[in-house]
Amino acid sequence: QKEVEQNSGPLSVPEGAIASLNCTYSDRGSQSFFWYRQYSGKSPELIMFIYSNGDKEDGRFTAQLNKASQYVSLLIRDSQPSDSATYLCAVKSQAGTALIFGKGTTLSVSS
Amino acid sequence: GAVVSQHPSRVICKSGTSVKIECRSLDFQATTMFWYRQFPKQSLMLMATSNEGSKATYEQGVEKDKFLINHASLTLSTLTVTSAHPEDSSFYICSASAPGQGEKLFFGSGTQLSVL
Repeated sequence: QKEVEQNSGPLSVPEGAIASLNCTYSDRGSQSFFWYRQYSGKSPELIMFIYSNGDKEDGRFTAQLNKASQYVSLLIRDSQPSDSATYLCAVKSQAGTALIFGKGTTLSVSS
Repeated sequence: GAVVSQHPSRVICKSGTSVKIECRSLDFQATTMFWYRQFPKQSLMLMATSNEGSKATYEQGVEKDKFLINHASLTLSTLTVTSAHPEDSSFYICSASAPGQGEKLFFGSGTQLSVL
């Protein structure tokens, strides 16, 4: 069974710090990796996606992928209180298939 | 672009009644839509994959006779929860991929179902 694992947290960081969110996946054939942010009672919103090994940066966000270790992470620099939410890691095994989600990590940024 | 509209956003119903949730792709044609369910503090769990013009594919443990999915057009998929019970109370979300948007999924706003 394909699984995506995340530490549920909560992860607490002070404003301005770097928040590091981690995710591991079981399906070695996974090809696409996504980070979504979800506020309570709302649907997920896409933050970043990554397909290749290495880092991908977008503003304050950096996604890191290591396929050999089956590990993907999200770094949030200069964390803001508005970043406080649940971050969902999602994995897709092949084109046209659904995303498999982790349980999410709750991030709390204190001002 | 790539907007997915989902209605209703919230529904409260009595046990034993049926509830229909609609999911529309507003500015693109969605040949495939995915239905997820999320219980409080849990992850999104895939319920079924809905393909236009054919029967939906259900995930293991999801009762196809209870959760009826219809994908009659390229822009509309519906999920009907039949004979709803309190344990069906959950957050239901649809999603679709859009042409030219790669592997990203676009989500509807979700439907919070509460069965009394």
